[in-house]
Amino acid sequence: DAKTTQPTSMDCAEGRAANLPCNHSTISGNEYVYWYRQIHSQGPQYIIHGLKNNETNEMASLIITEDRKSSTLILPHATLRDTAVYYCIVFMVYNQGGKLIFGQGTELSVKP
Amino acid sequence: EAGVVQSPRYKIIEKKQPVAFWCNPISGHNTLYWYLQNLGQGPELLIRYENEEAVDDSQLPKDRFSAERLKGVDSTLKIQPAELGDSAVYLCASSSRTSAHNEQFFGPGTRLTVL
Repeated sequence: DAKTTQPTSMDCAEGRAANLPCNHSTISGNEYVYWYRQIHSQGPQYIIHGLKNNETNEMASLIITEDRKSSTLILPHATLRDTAVYYCIVFMVYNQGGKLIFGQGTELSVKP
Repeated sequence: EAGVVQSPRYKIIEKKQPVAFWCNPISGHNTLYWYLQNLGQGPELLIRYENEEAVDDSQLPKDRFSAERLKGVDSTLKIQPAELGDSAVYLCASSSRTSAHNEQFFGPGTRLTVL
């Protein structure tokens, strides 16, 4: 089972920041938080990941609470092309590699 | 650089027929994954390969599903015989141990419809 809880859906106005929350209260000390997104009829796409520090890249920012029990993905200026399902995943490393366990994700609709 | 290639993109078959999906990962990626995605759900891992070795096939229904990655490059996933409940999208992904982010790169998937 997925170790994360996300809202089923969210709306965001084009040009505004989209803030997608995720709860992962049972995360272990060596587990990372990963975010992927899946645009309709495509495979999932990596966005960003972090362990305990906040992270930023060209796509998004990731804010992780100090107790690591929750995080927020921020898309600073959402566009219509950001409409997708966003998955928050606790990345479990085992058996020579890692295993992504996807939940149901948050369906983000960016509206004009 | 080409991404993960999957074929066919769509497949419609009748129940009890066999079906096969093909995946060519990103060049140089030693790890290959097959995922199953049901409508409205997130992907679920079926099998993971490190080179030609299947290192995690615990979620693969071995009575009807099989997979191979003979030369450690491309891979085939087979279902025989297919059942109505196998209708889903089958995703292939690959990753490299040398990647700084450990990210998986996904193909577009094969949408299977079993009638």
